[in-house]
Amino acid sequence: RKEVEQDPGPFNVPEGATVAFNCTYSNSASQSFFWYRQDCRKEPKLLMSVYSSGNEDGRFTAQLNRASQYISLLIRDSKLSDSATYLCVAGFWGQNFVFGPGTRLSVLP
Amino acid sequence: DAGVIQSPRHEVTEMGQEVTLRCKPISGHDYLFWYRQTMMRGLELLIYFNNNVPIDDSGMPEDRFSAKMPNASFSTLKIQPSEPRDSAVYFCASRRQADTQYFGPGTRLTVL
Repeated sequence: RKEVEQDPGPFNVPEGATVAFNCTYSNSASQSFFWYRQDCRKEPKLLMSVYSSGNEDGRFTAQLNRASQYISLLIRDSKLSDSATYLCVAGFWGQNFVFGPGTRLSVLP
Repeated sequence: DAGVIQSPRHEVTEMGQEVTLRCKPISGHDYLFWYRQTMMRGLELLIYFNNNVPIDDSGMPEDRFSAKMPNASFSTLKIQPSEPRDSAVYFCASRRQADTQYFGPGTRLTVL
């Protein structure tokens, strides 16, 4: 079983739609969680950290469920510019962060 | 801040040649990571350093791959001899202990 698993997609949604991604991690001792965004032919960039209490940044909401070992990302009012691959990350500060394979999102006009 | 700097950005070489990829981490970052990304395998960790010391190289595919970090501001990833299956995008990333991990722009390697 991979340490971090995601549905690869693609998720094809119309502009303005709400879309949610889930991600599961296998190491119950993981301390740190993130969502990264990767545009085509570019490097991954931090989208947002994920906190135990859940957190929101504009149209983006991240949730952590430690009991079920999953992380979610909700995107409201999707924009064309949200089209990208979203990478889920779990890990420990003193060690490596494990990146999931990514979920591809296409927002259609 | 200049961000993580990688060179070259693109490399095309022939099978059997030596390839050296270079990385300059963000100043003050004490962790440095080398990743490889392909469509088939996604983002794979090759090796990472903490304070210039290699901590985990279990992701290095085989003896043809080697990485060094002679000082806090420079690291290299070397492939010798290169093979077509090494074609991928190689990313370097750095971070402080309890901080965001930043990636460089990557080196797109093509081995013919």
